[in-house]
Amino acid sequence: EDKVVQSPLSLVVHEGDTVTLNCSYEVTNFRSLLWYKQEKKAPTFLFMLTSSGIEKKSGRLSSILDKKELFSILNITATQTGDSAVYLCAVIPRTQGGSEKLVFGKGTKLTVNP
Amino acid sequence: DAGITQSPRHKVTETGTPVTLRCHQTENHRYMYWYRQDPGHGLRLIHYSYGVKDTDKGEVSDGYSVSRSKTEDFLLTLESATSSQTSVYFCAISEQAGVYGYTFGSGTRLTVV
Repeated sequence: EDKVVQSPLSLVVHEGDTVTLNCSYEVTNFRSLLWYKQEKKAPTFLFMLTSSGIEKKSGRLSSILDKKELFSILNITATQTGDSAVYLCAVIPRTQGGSEKLVFGKGTKLTVNP
Repeated sequence: DAGITQSPRHKVTETGTPVTLRCHQTENHRYMYWYRQDPGHGLRLIHYSYGVKDTDKGEVSDGYSVSRSKTEDFLLTLESATSSQTSVYFCAISEQAGVYGYTFGSGTRLTVV
């Protein structure tokens, strides 16, 4: 069974801190790993990673994938209160027929205090 | 998100009644998905569709059915609502999830009393 485990489940930091969120996975025929940010409503897309060792970066957020060790990290530098959210990691197994179902972890709830 | 809408946004219903949630897209994407989100469980797949009239079960499909008679609409029906189906329901769409990921609707908060 495909499985995604995120850690920690929750994290409280102060503005300006740097945080690292972890995502490990077990999936048959890995295709892609995705990170989403969820505030009050729908998850919004952050990154998709398919190749090992290549960092994706967007402003203060960055992510990298290690396909050998089956994990990914999401880094947020100089955190702001607006970064408070649940961060979701998901993997897409490669399947015949292309149903492309995402398998999600339980999320990491990040709280950034002023 | 523009291009995908869910209705209703909120609903309170009584145990034992049937309930239908609607997902409507204007993106002409092939794949549509229904997930539920509960504290401590994250997002879990209920049913998905890979084309008109083509649907399949996800990991938590018991008590739910779906229909897709048009590309743009994917309906989720709770046959006889139970309190355990109190949840937030998200619809998602994709064309090539492995390339572009999913786009999510804003969610429907369903309370079964």
